[in-house]
Amino acid sequence: SQKIEQNSEALNIQEGKTATLTCNYTNYSPAYLQWYRQDPGRGPVFLLLIRENEKEKRKERLKVTFDTTLKQSLFHITASQPADSATYLCALGTSYDKVIFGPGTSLSVIP
Amino acid sequence: GAVVSQHPSWVICKSGTSVKIECRSLDFQATTMFWYRQFPKQSLMLMATSNEGSKATYEQGVEKDKFLINHASLTLSTLTVTSAHPEDSSFYICSAQEGKGPWGQETQYFGPGTRLLVL
Repeated sequence: SQKIEQNSEALNIQEGKTATLTCNYTNYSPAYLQWYRQDPGRGPVFLLLIRENEKEKRKERLKVTFDTTLKQSLFHITASQPADSATYLCALGTSYDKVIFGPGTSLSVIP
Repeated sequence: GAVVSQHPSWVICKSGTSVKIECRSLDFQATTMFWYRQFPKQSLMLMATSNEGSKATYEQGVEKDKFLINHASLTLSTLTVTSAHPEDSSFYICSAQEGKGPWGQETQYFGPGTRLLVL
């Protein structure tokens, strides 16, 4: 069955460092992958989208890579700040009508 | 741009009553809207997909007679939890697709969520 895995444990990093979050998937051939941020008690906020034929995408301090051979995406936040603390969700889609979300990774940036 | 609102943000109701949750795209027309359910510390579970003017497509295991979805216009979708029971207590989130934009038609814009507590 299709499965999406993210960092199993919460990630704690020091302010200013680069946070790297992992999204792995099996039994799936996504056409694109998205990353969302979710704060407690709030809906997710879209961050980045990367398509299967793209290796890397950047947006300000964010960078995402997509390796369809390894079936993995890495999400990087450079120069992390306490305000980056949140849960980050990866989502995979094969068409424009729906996506499947991963379980999320909780990130805490320590001042 | 691409703002989605939900109302109410939280609701407490008695068992057996029905609850309606509204999802609106405020500054764009949504070709497709989605309804999700989320339990504490768990990920989003897609309940159904709806397109304006047509019947919603429900995910496996979701009772369509229990969770009524009406996508009345390109800016409004409603989810009605009928005869609610305590096990229906959850965080319900809607999202909408604009169908265009710099990040592609696949991007979903989420509402702030509605927390439902059934006593």
